[in-house]
Amino acid sequence: GAGVSQSPSNKVTEKGKDVELRCDPISGHTALYWYRQSLGQGLEFLIYFQGNSAPDKSGLPSDRFSAERTGGSVSTLTIQRTQQEDSAVYLCASSAGQGREGNTIYFGEGSWLTVV
Amino acid sequence: KNEVEQSPQNLTAQEGEFITINCSYSVGISALHWLQQHPGGGIVSLFMLSSGKKKHGRLIATINIQEKHSSLHITASHPRDSAVYICAVRRGTDKLIFGTGTRLQVFP
Repeated sequence: GAGVSQSPSNKVTEKGKDVELRCDPISGHTALYWYRQSLGQGLEFLIYFQGNSAPDKSGLPSDRFSAERTGGSVSTLTIQRTQQEDSAVYLCASSAGQGREGNTIYFGEGSWLTVV
Repeated sequence: KNEVEQSPQNLTAQEGEFITINCSYSVGISALHWLQQHPGGGIVSLFMLSSGKKKHGRLIATINIQEKHSSLHITASHPRDSAVYICAVRRGTDKLIFGTGTRLQVFP
C-alpha cells in the first residue's frame, strides 16, 4: 500500500478481554516496529521485527503482550487480559532495512485502545 | 536520566520567529531522527541524519556526533508549524529511543 496501515483505528474493550491490533507495513519494508504512547506521555518502544524474526522484544511490558509477523509483511500485536493501564495509542512503523543511511521510518496513524 | 534529552519541553513563538529545538543523547547511535507529531497523533518523519546538516524548506537539522547533540531549526515560523517535535536516536538493533518531545505553539 501507499503507507503504513493500522487497524482498528479505535478500539474500546472491557478489562480482561483480549485484543488484536494489526499493522500492514509499506510493501517491501523489512523492518517493522511497534510503539505505544499513553496519554500525555512520550513514545515507548515495544518490539522490533526484521523480516519475520523479532531480535528485540525488550520493550514488551509484560507477558500479556505478544506480537508476530508473517510472510515478512503483516504484523499482529496481541494484548491478553487487557488492563486499564494498557489504554494508549499503539503505533506501528516500518522502514526499508537495517541501519542504512536514507532509511526513513514511516509511521501508521495508530490504533487508539481504550480499556474500560 | 533519559538517554535522549530534549529542550525546551514547551515553546511558544510569534509567527515569523526563528525557532531552535535541541536534542542531546548519551549513547552511541547510527542515526538520529526528527519527527513531527500533530494534535491528531499522526507522526511524520522530518529528517534522518548521521552527520552534518540537512535542509528541507524552512526546516534545518544539524548534528554534532562528537558532542552528541542535534538541533532542529524552523525559520519564519508559522502557526501550522504548531506540533510536538520529537528527537529519536537509532541504535544497533534499529530500535528508536525517543526524547520526550517539544511542544511548539506558534501564534499569529
